[in-house]
Amino acid sequence: SQKIEQNSEALNIQEGKTATLTCNYTNYSPAYLQWYRQDPGRGPVFLLLIRENEKEKRKERLKVTFDTTLKQSLFHITASQPADSATYLCAPSPRGSQGNLIFGKGTKLSVKP
Amino acid sequence: EAQVTQNPRYLITVTGKKLTVTCSQNMNHEYMSWYRQDPGLGLRQIYYSMNVEVTDKGDVPEGYKVSRKEKRNFPLILESPSPNQTSLYFCASSSDRGGSPLHFGNGTRLTVT
Repeated sequence: SQKIEQNSEALNIQEGKTATLTCNYTNYSPAYLQWYRQDPGRGPVFLLLIRENEKEKRKERLKVTFDTTLKQSLFHITASQPADSATYLCAPSPRGSQGNLIFGKGTKLSVKP
Repeated sequence: EAQVTQNPRYLITVTGKKLTVTCSQNMNHEYMSWYRQDPGLGLRQIYYSMNVEVTDKGDVPEGYKVSRKEKRNFPLILESPSPNQTSLYFCASSSDRGGSPLHFGNGTRLTVT
Protein backbone atom coordinates (compact mmCIF):
# COMPACT_ATOMS: atom_id res chain seq x y z
CA SER A 1 0.00 0.00 0.00
CA GLN A 2 1.04 3.62 -0.44
CA LYS A 3 3.09 4.93 2.43
CA ILE A 4 4.46 8.36 3.36
CA GLU A 5 7.06 8.94 6.06
CA GLN A 6 8.17 12.30 7.38
CA ASN A 7 11.54 12.05 9.02
CA SER A 8 10.66 12.91 12.56
CA GLU A 9 7.70 13.92 14.60
CA ALA A 10 9.49 16.95 16.00
CA LEU A 11 12.43 19.10 15.03
CA ASN A 12 13.91 21.79 17.28
CA ILE A 13 16.30 24.37 15.87
CA GLN A 14 17.75 27.73 16.78
CA GLU A 15 16.52 30.94 15.18
CA GLY A 16 18.52 31.86 12.10
CA LYS A 17 19.45 28.27 11.24
CA THR A 18 18.14 26.30 8.28
CA ALA A 19 15.44 23.74 9.01
CA THR A 20 15.38 20.66 6.79
CA LEU A 21 12.37 18.37 6.77
CA THR A 22 12.22 15.06 4.92
CA CYS A 23 9.35 13.31 3.18
CA ASN A 24 9.79 9.76 1.87
CA TYR A 25 7.15 7.83 -0.03
CA THR A 26 6.84 4.22 -1.16
CA ASN A 27 4.68 2.16 -3.49
CA TYR A 28 3.64 4.90 -5.87
CA SER A 29 5.00 7.47 -8.27
CA PRO A 30 3.48 10.90 -7.67
CA ALA A 31 3.34 13.43 -10.46
CA TYR A 32 3.49 16.26 -7.92
CA LEU A 33 4.36 16.75 -4.30
CA GLN A 34 2.81 19.41 -2.12
CA TRP A 35 3.88 20.89 1.20
CA TYR A 36 1.50 22.43 3.72
CA ARG A 37 1.84 24.28 7.00
CA GLN A 38 -0.57 23.65 9.86
CA ASP A 39 -0.92 25.67 13.03
CA PRO A 40 -2.58 24.11 16.11
CA GLY A 41 -6.33 23.70 15.68
CA ARG A 42 -6.32 25.24 12.18
CA GLY A 43 -6.62 23.82 8.69
CA PRO A 44 -3.46 23.16 6.69
CA VAL A 45 -2.32 25.97 4.42
CA PHE A 46 -0.67 25.29 1.06
CA LEU A 47 2.96 26.38 0.72
CA LEU A 48 4.60 24.90 -2.35
CA LEU A 49 4.04 22.39 -5.13
CA ILE A 50 6.83 20.71 -7.05
CA ARG A 51 6.35 18.57 -10.16
CA GLU A 52 8.17 15.36 -10.97
CA ASN A 53 10.17 17.03 -13.73
CA GLU A 54 11.37 19.81 -11.38
CA LYS A 55 14.39 19.23 -9.20
CA GLU A 56 13.96 22.28 -7.02
CA LYS A 57 11.47 25.04 -6.29
CA ARG A 58 11.88 28.19 -4.21
CA LYS A 59 9.56 30.70 -2.62
CA GLU A 60 11.11 33.40 -0.47
CA ARG A 61 12.89 31.53 2.38
CA LEU A 62 11.42 28.17 1.39
CA LYS A 63 13.03 25.60 -0.88
CA VAL A 64 11.71 22.21 -1.91
CA THR A 65 13.55 19.44 -3.74
CA PHE A 66 12.06 16.36 -5.34
CA ASP A 67 14.12 13.26 -6.08
CA THR A 68 12.00 10.67 -7.86
CA THR A 69 14.84 8.14 -7.81
CA LEU A 70 15.19 8.30 -4.04
CA LYS A 71 11.41 8.78 -3.67
CA GLN A 72 12.10 11.71 -1.41
CA SER A 73 11.37 15.40 -1.02
CA LEU A 74 13.30 17.80 1.19
CA PHE A 75 11.75 21.00 2.53
CA HIS A 76 14.11 23.73 3.70
CA ILE A 77 13.39 26.92 5.61
CA THR A 78 16.39 29.22 5.61
CA ALA A 79 17.01 31.91 8.24
CA SER A 80 14.30 30.35 10.36
CA GLN A 81 12.21 32.48 12.72
CA PRO A 82 10.05 31.62 15.75
CA ALA A 83 7.03 32.42 13.56
CA ASP A 84 7.96 29.43 11.39
CA SER A 85 7.09 27.12 14.29
CA ALA A 86 4.28 24.87 13.07
CA THR A 87 3.63 21.38 11.77
CA TYR A 88 4.60 20.79 8.15
CA LEU A 89 2.85 18.17 6.07
CA CYS A 90 3.84 16.64 2.77
CA ALA A 91 1.35 15.21 0.27
CA PRO A 92 2.57 13.33 -2.80
CA SER A 93 -0.15 13.78 -5.43
CA PRO A 94 -1.20 10.82 -7.58
CA ARG A 95 -1.13 11.00 -11.37
CA GLY A 96 -4.16 12.23 -13.28
CA SER A 97 -6.50 12.60 -10.37
CA GLN A 98 -6.55 14.29 -7.00
CA GLY A 99 -8.47 11.27 -5.88
CA ASN A 100 -7.34 9.72 -2.68
CA LEU A 101 -4.80 12.37 -1.66
CA ILE A 102 -2.74 11.12 1.26
CA PHE A 103 -0.81 13.26 3.71
CA GLY A 104 2.19 12.42 5.79
CA LYS A 105 1.75 12.65 9.56
CA GLY A 106 3.79 15.82 9.65
CA THR A 107 6.88 17.18 11.35
CA LYS A 108 6.40 19.65 14.18
CA LEU A 109 9.03 22.36 13.86
CA SER A 110 9.97 24.51 16.85
CA VAL A 111 12.26 27.47 16.26
CA LYS A 112 13.77 28.81 19.49
CA PRO A 113 14.84 32.46 19.79
CA GLU B 1 -12.82 36.28 -0.22
CA ALA B 2 -12.09 32.76 -1.43
CA GLN B 3 -12.79 30.34 1.35
CA VAL B 4 -14.03 26.98 2.55
CA THR B 5 -16.58 27.34 5.34
CA GLN B 6 -17.37 24.58 7.78
CA ASN B 7 -20.07 24.61 10.40
CA PRO B 8 -20.19 24.20 13.27
CA ARG B 9 -16.68 24.85 14.62
CA TYR B 10 -17.40 22.87 17.78
CA LEU B 11 -19.98 20.18 18.40
CA ILE B 12 -20.65 17.99 21.41
CA THR B 13 -23.21 15.26 20.95
CA VAL B 14 -24.27 11.90 22.31
CA THR B 15 -23.87 8.45 20.86
CA GLY B 16 -26.44 7.63 18.21
CA LYS B 17 -27.77 11.12 17.56
CA LYS B 18 -27.54 11.86 13.84
CA LEU B 19 -25.58 14.96 12.89
CA THR B 20 -24.44 16.83 9.81
CA VAL B 21 -21.34 18.94 9.41
CA THR B 22 -21.71 21.38 6.54
CA CYS B 23 -19.01 22.46 4.12
CA SER B 24 -19.32 25.13 1.48
CA GLN B 25 -16.78 26.64 -0.92
CA ASN B 26 -17.12 29.81 -2.99
CA MET B 27 -14.36 29.10 -5.52
CA ASN B 28 -16.35 26.96 -8.00
CA HIS B 29 -14.04 24.03 -7.24
CA GLU B 30 -14.80 20.62 -8.71
CA TYR B 31 -12.93 18.57 -6.11
CA MET B 32 -13.93 18.41 -2.45
CA SER B 33 -12.83 16.13 0.35
CA TRP B 34 -13.30 15.37 4.03
CA TYR B 35 -10.48 14.47 6.42
CA ARG B 36 -10.30 13.63 10.06
CA GLN B 37 -7.23 14.36 12.15
CA ASP B 38 -6.30 12.47 15.29
CA PRO B 39 -3.14 12.68 17.43
CA GLY B 40 -0.49 10.32 16.16
CA LEU B 41 -2.52 9.35 13.10
CA GLY B 42 -2.33 12.53 11.04
CA LEU B 43 -4.87 13.53 8.41
CA ARG B 44 -6.90 10.63 7.08
CA GLN B 45 -9.27 10.97 4.17
CA ILE B 46 -12.90 9.98 4.77
CA TYR B 47 -14.63 10.69 1.43
CA TYR B 48 -13.94 12.77 -1.62
CA SER B 49 -15.92 14.07 -4.57
CA MET B 50 -14.61 14.77 -8.05
CA ASN B 51 -17.76 16.63 -9.09
CA VAL B 52 -21.50 16.91 -8.52
CA GLU B 53 -23.07 13.50 -7.85
CA VAL B 54 -19.62 11.82 -7.92
CA THR B 55 -18.29 10.66 -4.56
CA ASP B 56 -15.84 7.98 -3.48
CA LYS B 57 -14.47 6.46 -0.32
CA GLY B 58 -11.18 7.52 1.19
CA ASP B 59 -9.20 5.56 3.74
CA VAL B 60 -11.65 5.69 6.67
CA PRO B 61 -15.24 5.91 5.34
CA GLU B 62 -16.93 3.62 7.87
CA GLY B 63 -19.65 5.37 9.85
CA TYR B 64 -19.85 8.38 7.52
CA LYS B 65 -21.96 9.45 4.55
CA VAL B 66 -21.58 12.32 2.14
CA SER B 67 -23.57 13.87 -0.68
CA ARG B 68 -22.72 16.28 -3.50
CA LYS B 69 -25.93 17.65 -4.90
CA GLU B 70 -24.47 21.08 -5.67
CA LYS B 71 -20.96 22.03 -6.65
CA ARG B 72 -20.39 24.33 -3.68
CA ASN B 73 -21.65 22.06 -0.85
CA PHE B 74 -20.30 18.79 0.50
CA PRO B 75 -21.93 17.87 3.82
CA LEU B 76 -20.59 15.11 6.07
CA ILE B 77 -23.26 13.01 7.74
CA LEU B 78 -22.86 10.81 10.79
CA GLU B 79 -26.01 8.70 10.96
CA SER B 80 -25.21 7.16 14.34
CA PRO B 81 -22.14 8.78 15.87
CA SER B 82 -19.96 6.78 18.23
CA PRO B 83 -17.20 7.92 20.63
CA ASN B 84 -14.47 6.71 18.21
CA GLN B 85 -15.62 9.42 15.82
CA THR B 86 -14.51 12.08 18.26
CA SER B 87 -12.00 13.97 16.18
CA LEU B 88 -11.06 17.17 14.38
CA TYR B 89 -12.65 17.25 10.93
CA PHE B 90 -11.51 19.25 7.91
CA CYS B 91 -13.19 19.90 4.61
CA ALA B 92 -11.04 20.84 1.62
CA SER B 93 -11.51 21.78 -2.01
CA SER B 94 -9.37 22.31 -5.10
CA SER B 95 -9.86 23.49 -8.63
CA ASP B 96 -8.95 20.46 -10.71
CA ARG B 97 -8.02 16.90 -10.67
CA GLY B 98 -4.29 16.70 -10.29
CA GLY B 99 -1.80 18.64 -8.29
CA SER B 100 -3.89 21.69 -7.50
CA PRO B 101 -3.45 23.03 -3.98
CA LEU B 102 -6.11 22.13 -1.48
CA HIS B 103 -7.94 24.90 0.35
CA PHE B 104 -8.94 23.79 3.82
CA GLY B 105 -11.71 24.95 6.10
CA ASN B 106 -11.01 25.91 9.71
CA GLY B 107 -12.12 22.59 11.07
CA THR B 108 -14.92 21.14 13.18
CA ARG B 109 -14.04 19.69 16.55
CA LEU B 110 -16.52 16.93 17.28
CA THR B 111 -16.93 15.21 20.64
CA VAL B 112 -19.21 12.20 20.92
CA THR B 113 -20.00 11.11 24.48
